[in-house]
Amino acid sequence: DAGITQSPRHKVTETGTPVTLRCHQTENHRYMYWYRQDPGHGLRLIHYSYGVKDTDKGEVSDGYSVSRSKTEDFLLTLESATSSQTSVYFCAITSTNNYGYTFGSGTRLTVV
Amino acid sequence: QKEVEQDPGPLSVPEGAIVSLNCTYSNSAFQYFMWYRQYSRKGPELLMYTYSSGNKEDGRFTAQVDKSSKYISLFIRDSQPSDSATYLCAMSEDGAQKLVFGQGTRLTINP
Repeated sequence: DAGITQSPRHKVTETGTPVTLRCHQTENHRYMYWYRQDPGHGLRLIHYSYGVKDTDKGEVSDGYSVSRSKTEDFLLTLESATSSQTSVYFCAITSTNNYGYTFGSGTRLTVV
Repeated sequence: QKEVEQDPGPLSVPEGAIVSLNCTYSNSAFQYFMWYRQYSRKGPELLMYTYSSGNKEDGRFTAQVDKSSKYISLFIRDSQPSDSATYLCAMSEDGAQKLVFGQGTRLTINP
């Protein structure tokens, strides 16, 4: 793949527990994104980052937080998981000169 | 109303047919238009990229953008079973930043 990995690939967690998903890139790209994909909604932006410690909210940010302490890592945290956060989560990267995203393989999260 | 509208299908066509996939949008500031292909249980991959209006061709794939109508299309010629996937349109105001995606159209090519 293009130097982007997500972990874990699958996770089942209980309602009310915190969960952290990790996105790691080896491309040294400036921009990183977290999307969720749900039937009937397509891909929706949760949070994005335009540099180390620089992040901003997307369309569906409630209940999520992010951190980026290094260029290569972008973490997504569900502070207190709810069943409505059951989804497939995709990380994506791009650089200033690139057009279009490169996506990771996704994390399938189930909240029971 | 969604900023980008795409018929989710499913769309099923015989092998060799010409496939037409479409999206409409409401934000006239969009200038960058993309099509992604997503196989089952995989991440989306960039298929076509177009800036502003016009056509772009790449092998069996042609992307068209009509900004006056706020309408974009992807044509697949001589469709193959390996083209079976979900196709997502995406667009942005400023390059690849903060893409807005359509819902995706699930396409099946029958041998």
